Amino acid sequence: EDQVTQSPEALRLQEGESSSLNCSYTVSGLRGLFWYRQDPGKGPEFLFTLYSAGEEKEKERLKATLTKKESFLHITAPKPEDSATYLCAVRFGTSYGKLTFGQGTILTVHP
Amino acid sequence: GAGVSQTPSNKVTEKGKYVELRCDPISGHTALYWYRQSLGQGPEFLIYFQGTGAADDSGLPNDRFFAVRPEGSVSTLKIQRTERGDSAVYLCASSLTGGAVYEQFFGPGTRLTVL
Repeated sequence: EDQVTQSPEALRLQEGESSSLNCSYTVSGLRGLFWYRQDPGKGPEFLFTLYSAGEEKEKERLKATLTKKESFLHITAPKPEDSATYLCAVRFGTSYGKLTFGQGTILTVHP
Repeated sequence: GAGVSQTPSNKVTEKGKYVELRCDPISGHTALYWYRQSLGQGPEFLIYFQGTGAADDSGLPNDRFFAVRPEGSVSTLKIQRTERGDSAVYLCASSLTGGAVYEQFFGPGTRLTVL
């Protein structure tokens, strides 16, 4: 069964305490893995797209990496404003439009 | 506008009623998507339009749900005989075109509550 699983479900960090979020997937024919950030009451905000194993992308304090079975979102020296739900999604097979999302990781960064 | 817009932002209705939710995509985007998000879950795909036609409607849960995009821009999601289980946030997204390489940009969503 095609699945996307994110861990942990929730993560609490102190400001400046670096950590990683995980997204593991079991799909055939990956065509892209996407990371989004979602603030309460808002729609998901696009962060990164990764297409092949070994690829990495960075934006400010965030760095996304991809292997053949999982992706990591590394957060370096987080700030309270990084608090949000981080969603991972995959596009695979012949589903050119459909994104399959994980359940998200709720990140809270305390000052 | 600069982003995807959705109206209304909130909709409260009674069980059995009909509702319409509207989505205005980013100007120039030919692909449009509808998702549904329940509390504590990631968005769940409903339907994808490329231009005026539904390219993939495999996520529509049953025949009470229907979506149109008659002129290839604005889209309306229609739900007949609403049920309490339909309560969720309905998200719309658009991308420059369909295909694997294009990111989807989301609107703020419509929160539907069925009493």
